[in-house]
Amino acid sequence: EAQVTQNPRYLITVTGKKLTVTCSQNMNHEYMSWYRQDPGLGLRQIYYSMNVEVTDKGDVPEGYKVSRKEKRNFPLILESPSPNQTSLYFCASKLGATQQGGKNQPQHFGDGTRLSIL
Amino acid sequence: AQRVTQPEKLLSVFKGAPVELKCNYSYSGSPELFWYVQYSRQRLQLLLRHISRESIKGFTADLNKGETSFHLKKPFAQEEDSAMYYCALGYNAGNMLTFGGGTRLMVKP
Repeated sequence: EAQVTQNPRYLITVTGKKLTVTCSQNMNHEYMSWYRQDPGLGLRQIYYSMNVEVTDKGDVPEGYKVSRKEKRNFPLILESPSPNQTSLYFCASKLGATQQGGKNQPQHFGDGTRLSIL
Repeated sequence: AQRVTQPEKLLSVFKGAPVELKCNYSYSGSPELFWYVQYSRQRLQLLLRHISRESIKGFTADLNKGETSFHLKKPFAQEEDSAMYYCALGYNAGNMLTFGGGTRLMVKP
């Protein structure tokens, strides 16, 4: 089944303790992205990646890092989490613009990861 | 800068009534517009995109460049349509996506 898988689904942790949220897709998509969803603000893009070893900032990148060493994985790293990073996080992927059929494609979303930073 | 506005946080209608969820955008380039839906405890799913001009689950949306709007409409709401709806604008060759704040649709029996 074609899907975007995030882990963990839920995490409660403390300020300053480094954490990584993994994201994996099995659709051979070149493009992957991370969002955070907060009440009243909708989803805001944190980082995106157009291909392996190519990452770029979204609208709210502060406090986050990403890496794209392989096409299928795009982990989100919080080096020193703070309470204002408590949120619901979504990973998404889609065909890249250079992939066949990749123009104007919608993004496929994972189930979300709920992070609580105390 | 690009922006998507969904003026209604909550829209409550009775089953069988028409529904219109409003979306306005601001963007200087040629927009790619989408509607995503999030049912309770489920992932975000694509509902419509403007380039397809399709009807999904009875919903339609027309891009009005003059009014910079992409309102979502359905003539007869069903209870199973109750969900959170997000309008989104794609730009930067589709690499970035800006979402509106979302509208919660509640369809009452």
